[in-house]
Formats: sequence, C-alpha cells, structure tokens
Amino acid sequence: DGGITQSPKYLFRKEGQNVTLSCEQNLNHDAMYWYRQDPGQGLRLIYYSQIVNDFQKGDIAEGYSVSREKKESFPLTVTSAQKNPTAFYLCASSIFPRARGLTEAFFGQGTRLTVV
Amino acid sequence: KNEVEQSPQNLTAQEGEFITINCSYSVGISALHWLQQHPGGGIVSLFMLSSGKKKHGRLIATINIQEKHSSLHITASHPRDSAVYICAVRSRSNYQLIWGAGTKLIIKP
Repeated sequence: DGGITQSPKYLFRKEGQNVTLSCEQNLNHDAMYWYRQDPGQGLRLIYYSQIVNDFQKGDIAEGYSVSREKKESFPLTVTSAQKNPTAFYLCASSIFPRARGLTEAFFGQGTRLTVV
Repeated sequence: KNEVEQSPQNLTAQEGEFITINCSYSVGISALHWLQQHPGGGIVSLFMLSSGKKKHGRLIATINIQEKHSSLHITASHPRDSAVYICAVRSRSNYQLIWGAGTKLIIKP
C-alpha cells in the first residue's frame, strides 16, 4: 500500500541536542512538507521541497534543517537553536502543487517531540 | 486576523445530532480541504473541493466561492466522529496551504 511514514511516533530529547525526524513516502510524490502543530493553532509550515535536491523555508524555519537527497525521503532535523521545540510534527506529501486540477495532500501519523 | 477562520473552536453534541462546522477565508484560493485529525495525531483528508458540494457517506462539504465560506456537515453523528476537523485552503497566489486552527468535535453516546 502506498503511503507516508513518519518515525518515531514519540521522541524525547535533552536540551542542547539535535534530533532528526524521519519522513518517507512511496507515493511517487514530488512535493514534501514539514509542519509543526501547537495546541490551539493551525499547522505552520517549517520547510517544503518541490523536487529532489531543492527545498524552501516555510514560515517558521529558524532552528530547523532539512535535506532532500531522495524523492522518497525528507528528514527534518530539530537543532539546538530551536528555542521551543516541544511540539507535534507532521510530514505531508503531494504531487507537484502546480499540476492541473486539485492536489490532495497525504499526511504521516506525526511525531510528538518532547524536550526534557 | 487569521486568513482561515473556523467556528466553533469546540463542539460537543449528542449521538445522532446534525453537525455543522464552518470555515471562512480571506484569500483567493484554488482549492479548499477538509481534514480529520484523530486523538493519535494522524490526519486524513476528507474532502478537497473548489466549488459546489461533495458527499461521502454521512459527511457533506459545501463551498461558496463568492462568500469565501465552506461548511462541513455530519449527519446522524456517532461517537467515532469525535476528532478535530481542520479546514485548509490552497492559496491561488503561491499554491501553499493555509490552515485553520481546527474544530474539536466530541460526540457523546
């Protein structure tokens, strides 16, 4: 079955440590996205990538980094520079958003990161 | 003011009631999405629409482009419908998704 997989589901990190969240999709989607969700707020875009080896900052990219070496994979690193990293992180993918017609986004199950 | 506003923020109803969740937006859009997020956190796409009305089972989504408003209706609600329902619009100018804050729905048996 095609889908998008995030791992791990729960992650604990000590202050000052970097941590990498995994996102893999086998939907052959060109575009992949990372969102952060905080209680009572809408999803906020951290980074997105529309093609391999290219990615763009979203609204809240500071303290995060990404890579897109393969079409299937878009890992997110939460660095020690991120002031308030405790949050729920969602990865999504879609066909290239400028394609004709409507483009449905598929989401992973999310990773809940807690800094201790 | 947020570009996508949902109402109500929280909604508690009895099983069997007809549910309406509203979404208003202020930007030009190419599409509007309704999604469902269960307590575990995973998000499922329910509808994607750019005009008119769509129906899937007990769920109905409508959109009025002129009024920049969409509604999600649930008929014969059931406790398993309890979730957060999220509205998101795709901006016509930069193709990015703009998200509402979600409506938390609880259906009591």
